[in-house]
Amino acid sequence: DAGITQSPRHKVTETGTPVTLRCHQTENHRYMYWYRQDPGHGLRLIHYSYGVKDTDKGEVSDGYSVSRSKTEDFLLTLESATSSQTSVYFCAISESPTPQHFGDGTRLSIL
Amino acid sequence: DQQVKQNSPSLSVQEGRISILNCDYTNSMFDYFLWYKKYPAEGPTFLISISSIKDKNEDGRFTVFLNKSAKHLSLHIVPSQPGDSAVYFCAASVTEYGNKLVFGAGTILRVKS
Repeated sequence: DAGITQSPRHKVTETGTPVTLRCHQTENHRYMYWYRQDPGHGLRLIHYSYGVKDTDKGEVSDGYSVSRSKTEDFLLTLESATSSQTSVYFCAISESPTPQHFGDGTRLSIL
Repeated sequence: DQQVKQNSPSLSVQEGRISILNCDYTNSMFDYFLWYKKYPAEGPTFLISISSIKDKNEDGRFTVFLNKSAKHLSLHIVPSQPGDSAVYFCAASVTEYGNKLVFGAGTILRVKS
């Protein structure tokens, strides 16, 4: 799996609570990404990082923030989770912009 | 408005035959295309890609064809094997902004033995 670890793999939480998902890589790749996968939509880019402390928004960034303080870690935070953020979240890494290599996902349920 | 469309939600083929998965796009700025395969409870795995300067790219049993005038690409798998049963995603990007992949909704391929 290209040295990508997502944690937790499953999480159930309540509306209004903060949630942080972690992506850890051992490949020393420059680029890291967060996507969400929903039925009928494929994968949609939330945020990505092109270096430590360098991030940019993707297609569906509202309600999400990210941080990258070290090359190997990319955190996705939902400040106040809503039911519409129930989804499967995938982290990806790449050295050049493409192709991107994906982790095994985090299934997040917000009740 | 989906910029990358996979209009067939599912496809079933017999083992040994050809599988053809299709993808259409609307953004004429896209110039790099990728196919990913995804098994349940796993992340997508990169299969093959093609740049818009080519119309075909081949890697073993997998061939991707690109028709720029029709804004259409297809993935051919020959011969199909039961282990190919998975969800296949088409993705596209503008090379200049290559980080931002746009994915189709996916096609479920089932290869029957």
